Amino acid sequence: RKEVEQDPGPFNVPEGATVAFNCTYSNSASQSFFWYRQDCRKEPKLLMSVYSSGNEDGRFTAQLNRASQYISLLIRDSKLSDSATYLCVVNTYGNTGKLIFGQGTTLQVKP
Amino acid sequence: DAGVIQSPRHEVTEMGQEVTLRCKPISGHDYLFWYRQTMMRGLELLIYFNNNVPIDDSGMPEDRFSAKMPNASFSTLKIQPSEPRDSAVYFCASSLRGFREGYSGNTIYFGEGSWLTVV
Repeated sequence: RKEVEQDPGPFNVPEGATVAFNCTYSNSASQSFFWYRQDCRKEPKLLMSVYSSGNEDGRFTAQLNRASQYISLLIRDSKLSDSATYLCVVNTYGNTGKLIFGQGTTLQVKP
Repeated sequence: DAGVIQSPRHEVTEMGQEVTLRCKPISGHDYLFWYRQTMMRGLELLIYFNNNVPIDDSGMPEDRFSAKMPNASFSTLKIQPSEPRDSAVYFCASSLRGFREGYSGNTIYFGEGSWLTVV
């Protein structure tokens, strides 16, 4: 079983739609969680951190469920520019530098 | 400020040749990471350094791969001899500190990647 698992998609949605991605992680000792965005042929970039209480940044909402060991990302009012691959990222070893990346979920927003 | 700088951006080499990828992290960052990305396996951590010291190299696929960080502003990833299955995008990344809940603003900054093709 992979340490971080995501549905690869692709998710094809129309502009303005709401779309949600889920991610599960296997290590219950994981402490830090993030969503990264990667555009085609580009490097990954931080989209947002995921806090225990859940957090929102504009049209993006991230949730963490420690009991079920999953993380979610909700995108409201999708824009064409949201088309990208979204990577779920977990720091599995606490206070160290090791980030584990999921395979990513591809989103395609269509006009 | 300059971001993470990698070179070369693209390299095509023949099987059996030595490949050296270079990285300059963001000034002042204590951590440096080498990742490899392929369609099949996604983004894999190969090795990371803290204050120029290798901390975890468990992701290095085999002895053909080696990485060094002789000083805080430079790192290399070497493949010798290269094989076609090494074809991938190799990302170098750096961060200011390790990852711990509460350090909400910390992140890892990636270079643009070195696109390696071994034929």
